[in-house]
Amino acid sequence: LAKTTQPISMDSYEGQEVNITCSHNNIATNDYITWYQQFPSQGPRFIIQGYKTKVTNEVASLFIPADRKSSTLSLPRVSLSDTAVYYCLVGRTGGFKTIFGAGTRLFVKA
Amino acid sequence: NAGVTQTPKFQVLKTGQSMTLQCAQDMNHEYMSWYRQDPGMGLRLIHYSVGAGITDQGEVPNGYNVSRSTTEDFPLRLLSAAPSQTSVYFCASQPAGLNTEAFFGQGTRLTVV
Repeated sequence: LAKTTQPISMDSYEGQEVNITCSHNNIATNDYITWYQQFPSQGPRFIIQGYKTKVTNEVASLFIPADRKSSTLSLPRVSLSDTAVYYCLVGRTGGFKTIFGAGTRLFVKA
Repeated sequence: NAGVTQTPKFQVLKTGQSMTLQCAQDMNHEYMSWYRQDPGMGLRLIHYSVGAGITDQGEVPNGYNVSRSTTEDFPLRLLSAAPSQTSVYFCASQPAGLNTEAFFGQGTRLTVV
């Protein structure tokens, strides 16, 4: 499984756009990139998944450059309720049997 | 649609006691798994199953047993609780296949004293 590296924590203010970058230098050709969000005292929740270029849904956007060695999760206009831990996963299982590292702890301030 | 249901939500055990953490899903997912999460840490895989009757060990299986007699249920048994097993336990289910989405339960917070 490709190892991922992401910042341990980030701070932001309400209304700002937040970009969390994940490095995955050893990503394999068939690997996808999947992001999960975990609120305190809850299980992780799927946010978005992509293979290349850009993917957008109602919650976030995922930007993947051509070399796929990194990816950026973009959260537009964050609110206090976006305070959570965000996990970047790389592989072909979407999370099954995948190691969830420490993730990035995002703290949104008023 | 209940999704993934874990019971109990909280549990306190004495060292040496045994118990079963229940996990049930109503989405007919083939894949199920158990994780533990310690404070400030990510999730570590304990056991997983790719279908009824099939289970395998994850990263940290010692001290835990699982069985999968039905598609819906995937109980986790603590054989002889130890303080090191104090943690939050999450169960997840997922459709079989590549790049599917995992659905997690709300967790069971276990304290072993």
